[in-house]
Amino acid sequence: QSALTQPASVSGSPGQSITISCTGTNSDIGNYNFVSWYQQHPGKAPKLVIYNVNERPSGVSYRFSGSKSGNTASLTVSGLQAEDEADYYCSSYTTTSTIFGGGTRLTVL
Amino acid sequence: QLHLQESGPGLVKPSETQSLICTVSGGSISSGSYYWGWIRQPPGKGLEWIGSIYYTGNTYKNLSLKSRVIISVDTSKNQLSLKLRSVTAADTAVYYCARWGAAVAAFDFWGQGTLVTVSP
Repeated sequence: QSALTQPASVSGSPGQSITISCTGTNSDIGNYNFVSWYQQHPGKAPKLVIYNVNERPSGVSYRFSGSKSGNTASLTVSGLQAEDEADYYCSSYTTTSTIFGGGTRLTVL
Repeated sequence: QLHLQESGPGLVKPSETQSLICTVSGGSISSGSYYWGWIRQPPGKGLEWIGSIYYTGNTYKNLSLKSRVIISVDTSKNQLSLKLRSVTAADTAVYYCARWGAAVAAFDFWGQGTLVTVSP
């Protein structure tokens, strides 16, 4: 159950788009369409922003989108806004476990 | 509106057993569509799944913690609990309880988290 691999940090200017990658194996991301993404602001609990690879929970901005190719999932945030600055974690569910990525700090310049 | 609240001692001595409770309000822990999980986050680090439990008691645990973890549910009190044995400084973390929805295969509701520090 190794952690999924994410870049430590990404950055972008307001209005731009950024993409965060999340790499697993063919035992987790590659074998299940159960990838989710969480946003976490400092001192707050994580918030679900993407589930089942590319579905958005009610109330989450359309600017958040997800995709998957092989063993790698991606989160794209378009039209960056200051409020998007946060840590983002990917996660993959298998039938017996849940695995998180190491997290990516998104900085809005 | 669903609300999850973690509670328990904020300070535990090394080698002792840490115990936390998560109280669920605004919904039933016995709902058939959800598991209930524990996730932790050491200071300045990432999230780590500890384990998840169904209201019937069926449990899944992180293999790296399995031998030290007990997760249980009390449907009469609408609570789940976590016991972590033989704690060390590496177990210092914010501990979250969260609802895992089968339809989303993700943790869709989280408690605010509680910091547990392991120190003599």
